[in-house]
Parts: sequence; structure tokens; C-alpha cells
Amino acid sequence: QKEVEQDPGPLSVPEGAIVSLNCTYSNSAFQYFMWYRQYSRKGPELLMYTYSSGNKEDGRFTAQVDKSSKYISLFIRDSQPSDSATYLCAMSVYFRNSGNTPLVFGKGTRLSVIA
Amino acid sequence: GAVVSQHPSWVICKSGTSVKIECRSLDFQATTMFWYRQFPKQSLMLMATSNEGSKATYEQGVEKDKFLINHASLTLSTLTVTSAHPEDSSFYICSASMSGGQSGYTFGSGTRLTVV
Repeated sequence: QKEVEQDPGPLSVPEGAIVSLNCTYSNSAFQYFMWYRQYSRKGPELLMYTYSSGNKEDGRFTAQVDKSSKYISLFIRDSQPSDSATYLCAMSVYFRNSGNTPLVFGKGTRLSVIA
Repeated sequence: GAVVSQHPSWVICKSGTSVKIECRSLDFQATTMFWYRQFPKQSLMLMATSNEGSKATYEQGVEKDKFLINHASLTLSTLTVTSAHPEDSSFYICSASMSGGQSGYTFGSGTRLTVV
């Protein structure tokens, strides 16, 4: 079993739809959970950053972390064609003495929002 | 917000030559920088982790003599692809994090390397 599982899609939705993206993971030590958006031939851009369990909202984006189920989600409301990109979940552990571990990424989900 | 500048954004080189890629944290001190490689439609593959002032830690299967990483200051890390071959053609991305891990990891814009 891979450490982080993410459905690669592709996922195609009409403009205005609510998009739900998900990842599951196996390592219970993960503490930091992130969602990145990556446009073609660009570096990943941090969208949402969550520590431990809970919800976080930022504009049209909501991130949820359920550590008991080892499951994280990203919701995009009122999706726009400009949201078309690959969305990567990522997670890490922080150690006081040695700092952050490298991010462990999901495969990424390719999203297309059709006008 | 934290900004990481990566240069060049693309480079074409001949087989056998070396290419240096720079990664700079512009408005924060990056205690740790990470180098990734990404093939088309694939996720990011970690190549190495570098901490300022110490040797980089390479992932299994990554040749440290081929991919030289230097992290001489808290704002600059470089990746040098030595004696490049066509199979080294890829998208290389750096990432930096501040100490404390409380602000996420910021990525550079990536470097597309083509070896001909």
C-alpha cells in the first residue's frame, strides 16, 4: 500500500459545480496536510494548509482532515474554468530536532471545469 | 507570502555538458530545501533533501555524483546535473520550508531541462 493514495482522474465538471477531491493515507504520524494546485509546466502552488484534524475554509476552497479515518478532502465551490489544473495532496511530519520531513505527495487529480 | 525563485525556467543543453539550476528563497530563510523531479503527467518524485551547511540526503536510486546539490546559505540551493544525457530531460522543481513547519512548503516555478 502506498503511503498516500489519490485518484488521478481525470475529473470533468461543469462550471459552477462543487468539486470534491480526496486522499487517503496510511502513516498515522502525518501532522501537516496540504493541497497544491499545479498548472501545466508550472511549479505547485499552495492552496490550503492544515495542521492535524479539522476544517479550514479560504474563499471557495474548504479543506477537511479526518485523522481517525486517515482521509483528507478539498472542496471547491462554484468551480470556474480557471480552476482546471492538477490538484495534489501532500503531507508531512515535523520533528522538533530535525525539522520537516519531505512532503509525501499523492499522484494528483486532473480537474477540468467546462464552461 | 513566502516566495521561492527558481532559475532558469527552461534550458536546452547538449549531451555531456553540465547544467546548474538555482533555487532562492526571497523573503524568508529556508533551513531545508527539497529537490524534485517530475515526468509528464506524473507526480513529484523527491530526489534529495538539503539542509543549509550540510551534505544533501539523496533518495534511493538518485545518483549523488550526477545530481550535485549545494545549500551554502539559508536562501540559496543549487542543483547541478553533471554530464547530462537525454534521459535526464525532465521538469525539476525545488521547494523550501522555514523552520517550524508552520507555513507549508513553497515551491519554485520549476525548470524544464531538455538534453539533446
